[in-house]
Amino acid sequence: GDSVTQMEGPVTLSEEAFLTINCTYTATGYPSLFWYVQYPGEGLQLLLKATKADDKGSNKGFEATYRKETTSFHLEKGSVQVSDSAVYFCALSDRPIIGLTGGGSQGNLIFGKGTKLSVKP
Amino acid sequence: ETGVTQSPTHLIKTRGQQVTLRCSSQSGHNTVSWYQQALGQGPQFIFQYYREEENGRGNFPPRFSGLQFPNYSSELNVNALELDDSALYLCASSRLGDPNYGYTFGSGTRLTVV
Repeated sequence: GDSVTQMEGPVTLSEEAFLTINCTYTATGYPSLFWYVQYPGEGLQLLLKATKADDKGSNKGFEATYRKETTSFHLEKGSVQVSDSAVYFCALSDRPIIGLTGGGSQGNLIFGKGTKLSVKP
Repeated sequence: ETGVTQSPTHLIKTRGQQVTLRCSSQSGHNTVSWYQQALGQGPQFIFQYYREEENGRGNFPPRFSGLQFPNYSSELNVNALELDDSALYLCASSRLGDPNYGYTFGSGTRLTVV
């Protein structure tokens, strides 16, 4: 079945360092890909998404590009801050968006195990 | 625009008991999904509800059941609790048919089974 594999943590960086969190996926169809972030004691927040190959999702300085040829969706940020300390989850949606006229479809999300990031001042 | 709210935030139950968790979906959303997140793991899909009917289910036994109400709020019921059911239970709402869809997650209910 479909699955997501992301690099194991924890990852500890100094403020302003470059961040990469690797994520690869296995899927039979054409999934949408997501990065979610979970701050301590909170639920999940959508960080960014990409719905088709070569799409780049970006938000708050984070970026990830949907690479179909390498089945990857690596998360990057050029300069991390202490406030970025959290657990990051890569996820895929196992059914594609059909669109408004077709009724649309929210497939369930399949998550990786998460990567804990700690940023030191 | 209100977000997703879950109740209670924490609870402790004894093995064999039954529990009901509640979720109010975000305004304008019509689909509710439930996820189980064990400690140190990613969330696992339990099931999804749309128009008050189950619209997909993950690999969870029948003692996990749910309801969706006309106002799109939802309940997750777990019977015959086991120690391994201890986890953070997350509710997520979305809008079926919206090509710009996204899931909005609640903060979760932390269930401890002793």
